[in-house]
Amino acid sequence: GENVEQHPSTLSVQEGDSAVIKCTYSDSASNYFPWYKQELGKRPQLIIDIRSNVGEKKDQRIAVTLNKTAKHFSLHITETQPEDSAVYFCAARLNNAGNMLTFGGGTRLMVKP
Amino acid sequence: GAGVSQSPSNKVTEKGKDVELRCDPISGHTALYWYRQRLGQGLEFLIYFQGNSAPDKSGLPSDRFSAERTGESVSTLTIQRTQQEDSAVYLCASSPAFGTGQYFGPGTRLTVT
Repeated sequence: GENVEQHPSTLSVQEGDSAVIKCTYSDSASNYFPWYKQELGKRPQLIIDIRSNVGEKKDQRIAVTLNKTAKHFSLHITETQPEDSAVYFCAARLNNAGNMLTFGGGTRLMVKP
Repeated sequence: GAGVSQSPSNKVTEKGKDVELRCDPISGHTALYWYRQRLGQGLEFLIYFQGNSAPDKSGLPSDRFSAERTGESVSTLTIQRTQQEDSAVYLCASSPAFGTGQYFGPGTRLTVT
């Protein structure tokens, strides 16, 4: 089965700086990679995703990059704001697994004002 | 449209009692998932329903845990003879059969005393 590793487990940045969270996956058959943001006490929310046929996707201050050869993908947040503080989870979906996702362990991002 | 809903939002039960947690997926979503999230931890997969296929129960931690789903609608997660280690937030998610990511409900916070 798929295995997803996420780093770092915690990340502290100053407001306005960039934050990068990295994930690696084990199965080259994975073809879909979503990212979720979970604020304290709230449900995980899908914030951005990327499919295996593209290398990068942007949405305002967030972007995701995918390197299929190296089997890793990253979340980039620019001009961080205190409201970006949350736990972020990456996930990967195997091509033949319906819509089953394997999640990374999460990164707690703290943006200091 | 309405998102994924779960009930109850909070449940306190005594050790040894049975509990039932309910999930109403987004209308038209054929796939439904249950996860467990202990305090400060990641998402632990429990069970996955996809249409009329046999569910993937590979994540259920013991035979005290079971889940049912009626067609492509409501699902109930049952925990029998609850233990203190069952205390967690139980999250339900739904998705279309293939395509985008999963959409989470608000969760049920279970406390076993």
